Amino acid sequence: AQSVAQPEDQVNVAEGNPLTVKCTYSVSGNPYLFWYVQYPNRGLQFLLKYITGDNLVKGSYGFEAEFNKSQTSFHLKKPSALVSDSALYFCAVRDGSNDYKLSFGAGTTVTVRA
Amino acid sequence: ETGVTQTPRHLVMGMTNKKSLKCEQHLGHNAMYWYKQSAKKPLELMFVYNFKEQTENNSVPSRFSPECPNSSHLFLHLHTLQPEDSALYLCASSVQASGANVLTFGAGSRLTVL
Repeated sequence: AQSVAQPEDQVNVAEGNPLTVKCTYSVSGNPYLFWYVQYPNRGLQFLLKYITGDNLVKGSYGFEAEFNKSQTSFHLKKPSALVSDSALYFCAVRDGSNDYKLSFGAGTTVTVRA
Repeated sequence: ETGVTQTPRHLVMGMTNKKSLKCEQHLGHNAMYWYKQSAKKPLELMFVYNFKEQTENNSVPSRFSPECPNSSHLFLHLHTLQPEDSALYLCASSVQASGANVLTFGAGSRLTVL
């Protein structure tokens, strides 16, 4: 069975500081990994994905994520956080051998203070 | 506006009512999904339709009944729900329900069961 863990319910950072949101996953086959963001009263929006290739993936709004196969992690990062980055962030995984199921974590609430 | 429209945005119903949630996409996608979002929990995949065929039913109680008349429309029929069914119900679509296809989400229908 595939699963995603986001160990932190909340992450608080000051504007201008680096932001990291952690994610670990479990799949039996090759993982397809995703990050989505949810702003208040909105649906989830796609940020970036990892399929294969370069372990460092760049996405929207200055976000990037690093795939680490040995640690089964896919942490989301931003070098300099903005107040507008405050939102709920979800990591998701699809097992390459199980086509249909995309599993999400519980989400991490990011608060960036001015 | 993401291209995935959900109605109604808010719904309050009693346990004996029958109601339906509607989802519509005009993105030309062939896969549609229902997810349940509860606070502090991973998003729960409920149903997946790929080219109008149901490919995933994630052990959802029969009081939730999906309907996918075509690739652009998805319904969730609700009957004799329980208070614990109160949640945000998210509809999503993707080109196909496989691989690295990105999901586009609607804004959700907030359901309250009294």
